[in-house]
Amino acid sequence: DAGITQSPRHKVTETGTPVTLRCHQTENHRYMYWYRQDPGHGLRLIHYSYGVKDTDKGEVSDGYSVSRSKTEDFLLTLESATSSQTSVYFCAISGGSGGVSDTQYFGPGTRLTVL
Amino acid sequence: DAKTTQPTSMDCAEGRAANLPCNHSTISGNEYVYWYRQIHSQGPQYIIHGLKNNETNEMASLIITEDRKSSTLILPHATLRDTAVYYCIVRFPWGSGGSNYKLTFGKGTLLTVNP
Repeated sequence: DAGITQSPRHKVTETGTPVTLRCHQTENHRYMYWYRQDPGHGLRLIHYSYGVKDTDKGEVSDGYSVSRSKTEDFLLTLESATSSQTSVYFCAISGGSGGVSDTQYFGPGTRLTVL
Repeated sequence: DAKTTQPTSMDCAEGRAANLPCNHSTISGNEYVYWYRQIHSQGPQYIIHGLKNNETNEMASLIITEDRKSSTLILPHATLRDTAVYYCIVRFPWGSGGSNYKLTFGKGTLLTVNP
């Protein structure tokens, strides 16, 4: 398995509080992604990064921000958590080797509950 | 964007081959077919991918029809641990910055391997 860890693995928080999720990789992959998974919606891309300090929005980016200050860490921040952000969050990485058959590998996930 | 169609669920006897079909009739010439699976509460796990030719690795085989409008994932000797949701995904380029891309996960096929 790719060396991807996510922290925390579980978190319960209250509406309106800030929350930061961390994704850490040991593979030196260039690309990193944040997805959320909800029943009936599958996995949806929130934000992604194509290099240190280079990020872009995904399809469900409202209410989320990201930062990548070094290759191995990609942080997802909920500035003011809402109940609609209760979800399971997955980080993924890919090498970005330039070939069209690049593959994404996923972390174990973080289960976030916003009360 | 090419979309995929998979059966909602399938059953397979332990030790037998599991054949999971996927239709992707609108696939374009440079799009790859990827297969992932997700065991309950875990992150998606990459299985295999292909463009035109059949592919095989230590986990599975991928058979793509000549017109590329459908494919079949084959688990040659299914075990109870192969019980999972299997996703067929067609990869398209998206976003900026190079070879990054988005994976669109549909509802997948719940494969249940029975003893």
